[in-house]
Amino acid sequence: TAGITQAPTSQILAAGRSMTLRCTQDMRHNAMYWYRQDLGLGLRLIHYSNTAGTTGKGEVPDGYSVSRANTDDFPLTLASAVPSQTSVYFCASSGGEHTGELFFGEGSRLTVL
Amino acid sequence: GQNIDQPTEMTATEGAIVQINCTYQTSGFNGLFWYQQHAGEAPTFLSYNVLDGLEEKGRFSSFLSRSKGYSYLLLKELQMKDSASYLCAVRDSNYQLIWGAGTKLIIKP
Repeated sequence: TAGITQAPTSQILAAGRSMTLRCTQDMRHNAMYWYRQDLGLGLRLIHYSNTAGTTGKGEVPDGYSVSRANTDDFPLTLASAVPSQTSVYFCASSGGEHTGELFFGEGSRLTVL
Repeated sequence: GQNIDQPTEMTATEGAIVQINCTYQTSGFNGLFWYQQHAGEAPTFLSYNVLDGLEEKGRFSSFLSRSKGYSYLLLKELQMKDSASYLCAVRDSNYQLIWGAGTKLIIKP
């Protein structure tokens, strides 16, 4: 089973350019999340979606946008990248709003120069 | 503010036992989670505690004391493959996960 697939796995991006990180899950999970992971910090929630058609802001949403047109896909867009967005981005899903276990994608390493 | 504290790094010997502590201060409590993350990989779920006490799962056990805002992950019979970061996370009153920065565990032969 594929689980959660993220693309690209790695990208170098010039500052000011836009970028979309793709995330697809085949587990039919309702809830999906985007996190960034930076050295010395815990995972920080960027945006989340409790079900298709709804999204919400997490702890660090500025500079990012998401959409949830269907259950499977949850893309993250950086409209105009800045160097502080250099990070490893993880997409995750869980089986329900109150289910704890998260399933993570393999991560997307983004470098903004 | 909400805060999760865990040691940055620990070292242990293959075959030994290690205890990784986690203390938390959050707005409400709806469960505590431990995840394992090998370098360059995604976190994977290890354990979940919502009531006080010890949860055992093979070589790994997790303990929770809600009154003390404290948990630990106990790893027994350490193997080299246990070298990884261990992430503590608490689900708050809004059912959002608050994550610690992780504890990097180094296993020496």
